Amino acid sequence: DAMVIQNPRYQVTQFGKPVTLSCSQTLNHNVMYWYQQKSSQAPKLLFHYYDKDFNNEADTPDNFQSRRPNTSFCFLDIRSPGLGDAAMYLCATSRDVGDFTEAFFGQGTRLTVV
Amino acid sequence: GENVEQHPSTLSVQEGDSAVIKCTYSDSASNYFPWYKQELGKGPQLIIDIRSNVGEKKDQRIAVTLNKTAKHFSLHITETQPEDSAVYFCAASKGSQGNLIFGKGTKLSVKP
Repeated sequence: DAMVIQNPRYQVTQFGKPVTLSCSQTLNHNVMYWYQQKSSQAPKLLFHYYDKDFNNEADTPDNFQSRRPNTSFCFLDIRSPGLGDAAMYLCATSRDVGDFTEAFFGQGTRLTVV
Repeated sequence: GENVEQHPSTLSVQEGDSAVIKCTYSDSASNYFPWYKQELGKGPQLIIDIRSNVGEKKDQRIAVTLNKTAKHFSLHITETQPEDSAVYFCAASKGSQGNLIFGKGTKLSVKP
């Protein structure tokens, strides 16, 4: 059974039109991460939540925001998508910050910007 | 910050042969080194990992070796099968202090 579920699997959005990607987990992990993975590149961390504490990576553009209304759900909001934001967005969870021994990744959402 | 280099970027082997992927890391404080397999259109899946207090770990056809002095670690896949074809990522982490830093990936193709 899938433990980290991302919806939708594929998302097409218009240039400049806000879009929200969703992630849910059944593991009750404290930490949820959002990664951006562009074609043929490694995943790059955008930010993470430890419980309700939000931690932004220094080089994550302001265009990217996140919400975590409860333990199970985390959302990635892209306020004004540009063509350069087209990528696979991966959600991951871990039991504790920096403890990746039981980290799980979702299947990803592939975002296309037209 | 941590930097992880991964080689080769592409690797093609014949079914049944072995495949080796190598990574180096820069931060001597890194202590956890996972390997992920990513199939097309899917998220990364952990296949094996190693901690800094261990030099080698094996799980069936997959093994990982770690040389802390040289700051490099390698993934070994023996008796490769077509279903091993995927992109493999190495990564490094300092534990509670930091992020998981990925290498750039190796696209492995196993030819029947």
